[in-house]
Amino acid sequence: DAGVIQSPRHEVTEMGQEVTLRCKPISGHDYLFWYRQTMMRGLELLIYFNNNVPIDDSGMPEDRFSAKMPNASFSTLKIQPSEPRDSAVYFCASSLVRGGHNEQFFGPGTRLTVL
Amino acid sequence: EDQVTQSPEALRLQEGESSSLNCSYTVSGLRGLFWYRQDPGKGPEFLFTLYSAGEEKEKERLKATLTKKESFLHITAPKPEDSATYLCAAQKGGNQFYFGTGTSLTVIP
Repeated sequence: DAGVIQSPRHEVTEMGQEVTLRCKPISGHDYLFWYRQTMMRGLELLIYFNNNVPIDDSGMPEDRFSAKMPNASFSTLKIQPSEPRDSAVYFCASSLVRGGHNEQFFGPGTRLTVL
Repeated sequence: EDQVTQSPEALRLQEGESSSLNCSYTVSGLRGLFWYRQDPGKGPEFLFTLYSAGEEKEKERLKATLTKKESFLHITAPKPEDSATYLCAAQKGGNQFYFGTGTSLTVIP
């Protein structure tokens, strides 16, 4: 298996522009998580899906952020409009939960820079 | 407030010098305590899950332990290839995860 795939790996954009981050989870996994990592705050859970349904989006910082999972093999995280404080590394992770075990497999991340 | 705190922030060890990393948590209804390793420019890689106080797990030179308030990652006779950032995460009810900011470990040959 190729693991969790994220694109793009790097994104540089200007303030006010729309940014879309993409994720392909591991085939057969039933949970998908979006995280944001910064030096100051570490890894923060933004939202997670179970069987393509958003379960908890309490970590989404504000209405500028939205996430979708139209099918089991694809998810997007969109920021519109982007701001410099959104600069961070965004990770997608997937897991197959059985018997309460939830070992997440992370993608390589998307490094976002908003100028 | 649910929180995970790791210490120290950074640790430099000589090759073969054993030490421990600390992860303190204040998460109500803990379902699991996870340890991950993160190399520069990469996503975290799963190491261990601990579910109850007193539980221990080992993998090569690493051993993780859990109490009701904290977890330790013990590194025995580390090698340069163990250099990485080690993250711990507490899972609350459901699938809500709280990560610490990590300990950056450097092992000097």
